[in-house]
Amino acid sequence: GENVEQHPSTLSVQEGDSAVIKCTYSDSASNYFPWYKQELGKGPQLIIDIRSNVGEKKDQRIAVTLNKTAKHFSLHITETQPEDSAVYFCAAVYSGGGADGLTFGKGTHLIIQP
Amino acid sequence: EAGVAQSPRYKIIEKRQSVAFWCNPISGHATLYWYQQILGQGPKLLIQFQNNGVVDDSQLPKDRFSAERLKGVDSTLKIQPAKLEDSAVYLCASSLGRATNYGYTFGSGTRLTVV
Repeated sequence: GENVEQHPSTLSVQEGDSAVIKCTYSDSASNYFPWYKQELGKGPQLIIDIRSNVGEKKDQRIAVTLNKTAKHFSLHITETQPEDSAVYFCAAVYSGGGADGLTFGKGTHLIIQP
Repeated sequence: EAGVAQSPRYKIIEKRQSVAFWCNPISGHATLYWYQQILGQGPKLLIQFQNNGVVDDSQLPKDRFSAERLKGVDSTLKIQPAKLEDSAVYLCASSLGRATNYGYTFGSGTRLTVV
C-alpha cells in the first residue's frame, strides 16, 4: 500500500517569512495529493490540492508543487501570519478505483513567531 | 450547509469495556469514512462506505472493531473490547461522491481515552 513521509515534524518561522513542508510517497499510481490544516480540537480542513497531471498550483499565499518522477510534493506558504500556526498534513491517494481513502503523512507543527 | 456531526466529543472508558461512536454526514453525501488519529500522527483510514455498502475495510482490526451504515446515512463505529492502544481521536469524513472530485469534509472527531 501507499506510504507517505513528511518533513519536518516541527517548523518555526518568523512572521512574514516563508514556510516549506515536504512529502514523499511510495505508490507511483497515486494521482491526488491534498494538504490539510488541523487546529487544536478540530478535524482536518483542506487548504489546497493537486492532481498528477499538474506540476504546480497556487492559491493566494499557498502553493503546492509536485514532482511525479521523484514522487515528492511540497507545500509553500509565503508571508506567514500568526493564524497560519497549526499542524499541516499531506496525503496521497489513487482516485481511479472505488476505494479512495487517504494515506496521510505524520504532520508538521508550524509555529509562526511574532 | 451543516458539517459532519460526531458524538460524543469525548469518552473515557476502562480497558476491556466497549464503546460506540456516531457520525452523521452532510446531507446527500454518499461516501463515508472513519479514520483513527493517534496523538502526534496523521489520520489512518479504518473503513470506507459507499451508501450502505463497505468499499474498503482492509485496515479495520476486525477482531475488535466493527462499523455499520444501515440506511446509507448515519454510521456507528464500535470497539469491543477496548485496549489501551485504542486511545485516539476517531474522525468521520464524508463526500458527495468520488472524494477526489468532490473533496472530503471531516468532522471534529471523538477523543477516546482508554485507561
